Amino acid sequence: KNEVEQSPQNLTAQEGEFITINCSYSVGISALHWLQQHPGGGIVSLFMLSSGKKKHGRLIATINIQEKHSSLHITASHPRDSAVYICSGEGAQKLVFGQGTRLTINP
Amino acid sequence: EAQVTQNPRYLITVTGKKLTVTCSQNMNHEYMSWYRQDPGLGLRQIYYSMNVEVTDKGDVPEGYKVSRKEKRNFPLILESPSPNQTSLYFCASSKDNSYEQYFGPGTRLTVT
Repeated sequence: KNEVEQSPQNLTAQEGEFITINCSYSVGISALHWLQQHPGGGIVSLFMLSSGKKKHGRLIATINIQEKHSSLHITASHPRDSAVYICSGEGAQKLVFGQGTRLTINP
Repeated sequence: EAQVTQNPRYLITVTGKKLTVTCSQNMNHEYMSWYRQDPGLGLRQIYYSMNVEVTDKGDVPEGYKVSRKEKRNFPLILESPSPNQTSLYFCASSKDNSYEQYFGPGTRLTVT
């Protein structure tokens, strides 16, 4: 069964800190998606990765296929980055989701 | 504006009363999907569709039906809702299942 596990479940940091959220996945997952869910509930897709690294502004996502591990990094974190970040694995035309990481950035 | 719309956004209903949650996208996407989100369980896939008239079960399809008669629409049907279907539902679409997904705003359903 395809599985995705995230850590940590909750993360609180001060504004400006470098943030890392981790995602491990099982055999059968061919690509990873990172999603952001704002306090209002809306979900936005941040990245889709099948290899290497992608960068968008202060957000960086990496994936190590051999280790079946992906990380989402946020540089110079800001209170507006406070949200739930969800890792999602794609396998056999279906998506499976991690439990999410609730990130709170304090000013 | 590229978007996925869902209606209604909020719905309170009673056990056994059939309901439909509509989902529509204006991006000519082939892949569409329904998810439910529950505290402690995260997001789970209910049904997905690779294209018109092609649908398949996700991880939690019991109690739900879908149809894909047109590319833009992918309604979720609850023939006989039960309280365990109280949840937050999201529709999403993408060019295909390997591309970035666009999510609708969510539908909060309460079944009493």
